[in-house]
Amino acid sequence: ETGVTQSPTHLIKTRGQQVTLRCSSQSGHNTVSWYQQALGQGPQFIFQYYREEENGRGNFPPRFSGLQFPNYSSELNVNALELDDSALYLCASSTPTGVSTDTQYFGPGTRLTVL
Amino acid sequence: QKEVEQNSGPLSVPEGAIASLNCTYSDRGSQSFFWYRQYSGKSPELIMSIYSNGDQEDGRFTAQLNKASQYVSLLIRDSQPSDSATYLCARSGGGGSYIPTFGRGTSLIVHP
Repeated sequence: ETGVTQSPTHLIKTRGQQVTLRCSSQSGHNTVSWYQQALGQGPQFIFQYYREEENGRGNFPPRFSGLQFPNYSSELNVNALELDDSALYLCASSTPTGVSTDTQYFGPGTRLTVL
Repeated sequence: QKEVEQNSGPLSVPEGAIASLNCTYSDRGSQSFFWYRQYSGKSPELIMSIYSNGDQEDGRFTAQLNKASQYVSLLIRDSQPSDSATYLCARSGGGGSYIPTFGRGTSLIVHP
C-alpha cells in the first residue's frame, strides 16, 4: 500500500449534481495529482497541486476544480455532473526529488457513478 | 497520434513463460518511463521506473528502454497466474512537463 487514502470509496450521483472527492497524500509528499480513468482506458490527467497551487491542468472543463490544503491533502470538485463523468477517480501523490519528481503513488480510487 | 501507445490485448501466456509487453511513445523529449500494474477494480501499482537506455531488472521484471526507437518494454519471467492484470505504460518529461501520461494498458492473462 502507498499510504495515499481517498474517500469515499464509491459514490452514486445524478446528472446535474455536484460532488467532492477527498485525498490524503503519502507522508512527506507535497504534490497531489488527480486522474480520471474510464473503463478500459488509462488514467487521464485532470490537474496537479503543489504547495496549494495548481501546477498543471489536463484537458478537462472548468467544472472540474480542486484544492490543496496546508497539510497537502486535496479535494476534487465536479459541478453539473454528466453521465460521462462516471469513472474511477484516482489521486496520486509525489514529491520533487531529482529524477523521481514524477513517480506517482496512487490511492485506492473513488468509483463515481452518475445516473 | 496518442502520446503513449499500447496494444490493449489480451496477451495470453502459459504459466512459467516470459510475458513481453510493449509500449511506444511520441514525445522524443520524454525522460522518465514507468510501468504500473492494475488489477481489476483496483488502482495502479508502480512496478518499475526507467530513465536510461538499456535494461533494468527487478526480480522477475525487466524494463527495457530504447529512446532512439521510442519504445519501452516490460518482460515478466516465470509468469504466474497472479500476474494476470492490466499493465500501464507511462512517460513524463519533455516540453517542461513532468506530469506523466499513460497508455490505455495491456491486459495480460497467465493461464495455468
